[in-house]
Amino acid sequence: KNQVEQSPQSLIILEGKNCTLQCNYTVSPFSNLRWYKQDTGRGPVSLTIMTFSENTKSNGRYTATLDADTKQSSLHITASQLSDSASYICVVSRSGGSYIPTFGRGTSLIVHP
Amino acid sequence: DGGITQSPKYLFRKEGQNVTLSCEQNLNHDAMYWYRQDPGQGLRLIYYSQIVNDFQKGDIAEGYSVSREKKESFPLTVTSAQKNPTAFYLCASSIIAGGSTDTQYFGPGTRLTVL
Repeated sequence: KNQVEQSPQSLIILEGKNCTLQCNYTVSPFSNLRWYKQDTGRGPVSLTIMTFSENTKSNGRYTATLDADTKQSSLHITASQLSDSASYICVVSRSGGSYIPTFGRGTSLIVHP
Repeated sequence: DGGITQSPKYLFRKEGQNVTLSCEQNLNHDAMYWYRQDPGQGLRLIYYSQIVNDFQKGDIAEGYSVSREKKESFPLTVTSAQKNPTAFYLCASSIIAGGSTDTQYFGPGTRLTVL
């Protein structure tokens, strides 16, 4: 069964600290992996997208990594800000005709001043 | 101001009533999607459409219906047959369905509460 598992479920950090969120998947055959940020009560917004050949991609203070061999990805947030408080969702798409990606349940991040 | 819009933001419905959620996009995207989000769960696909006048059931289509008469619009009707409709509903669009680097763009969502 194609699944996407995220950890931790929730995380609380102090402003200015770094953190890393994890995503493990069993989706196969793999096409791409995206990280989305979802503010409370809003729609998700894409942060990064990585295909099989990419193992690191950055978007400002956000850096995503991908290990397609172990089927793991991480999202590293540097120098966290209060506005980083949100849910971060890992989404994996299959190749070969399946149009619909598989969503993880998300990691809820709270950044305290 | 381009993008994907949903209305209303909040919606209250009495049990037994049908209700329609609006989704409009001006991104010229071919594909549109409806998802349901419940607390602590990942997004679950209700319906998707790859092209005008065509749509496909997702994982949880029972109790819902859609139409795609125009490229820009993909309304979702929550019928009285949906047993537990209280949820946050998200509409999304993408250039095409299933492109290898295609990104889904999401609307702001509609929170439906059944009283």
